[in-house]
Amino acid sequence: NAGVTQTPKFRVLKTGQSMTLLCAQDMNHEYMYWYRQDPGMGLRLIHYSVGEGTTAKGEVPDGYNVSRLKKQNFLLGLESAAPSQTSVYFCASTHGETQYFGPGTRLLVL
Amino acid sequence: KQEVTQIPAALSVPEGENLVLNCSFTDSAIYNLQWFRQDPGKGLTSLLLIQSSQREQTSGRLNASLDKSSGRSTLYIAASQPGDSATYLCAASPPTTGGKLIFGQGTELSVKP
Repeated sequence: NAGVTQTPKFRVLKTGQSMTLLCAQDMNHEYMYWYRQDPGMGLRLIHYSVGEGTTAKGEVPDGYNVSRLKKQNFLLGLESAAPSQTSVYFCASTHGETQYFGPGTRLLVL
Repeated sequence: KQEVTQIPAALSVPEGENLVLNCSFTDSAIYNLQWFRQDPGKGLTSLLLIQSSQREQTSGRLNASLDKSSGRSTLYIAASQPGDSATYLCAASPPTTGGKLIFGQGTELSVKP
């Protein structure tokens, strides 16, 4: 039981490049989330999903897109990366209440 | 709009001391209040979850309380140890669908041997 895993662990992008972050969970959880964590800002919700095939906007959705084609996977896409998207990205999942977090992806946009 | 605040941002205590971490929230209409621990470079680990109908939860040396009327939660750590050094975050869950969490900025705790 691996819990929540994230790929990649670290990535450097140039401004304007695109990439996809992958989150996978093996706990059969319905709900999944993408957060970003910035110094002094805590964690902020980007997008979330309440089930396969559904997505919804969180607090800071601009510049990101998501997809939940399979229940166990939640993808976060950056179509045209900007330096303001330099951050640590965390994925989480839950069956109802307690959220289980992945180890994070550190993204640097130059 | 729900806002969650944690003060202080950092705290340093000698080993063995009992300590309290504070969390305040602006909207008392919450579904639950959660406390997490984050070690440097790692993800978050859930410590305690308090339902809106509860007043406190305990796990080992940790005790979390919830006072919705005053918009406050506290995390009490008894007999602190160097291994307790980490950042502690609280998060409020609004009473809407989706299980979303609103996080505080965290308190970075250092326990000195």
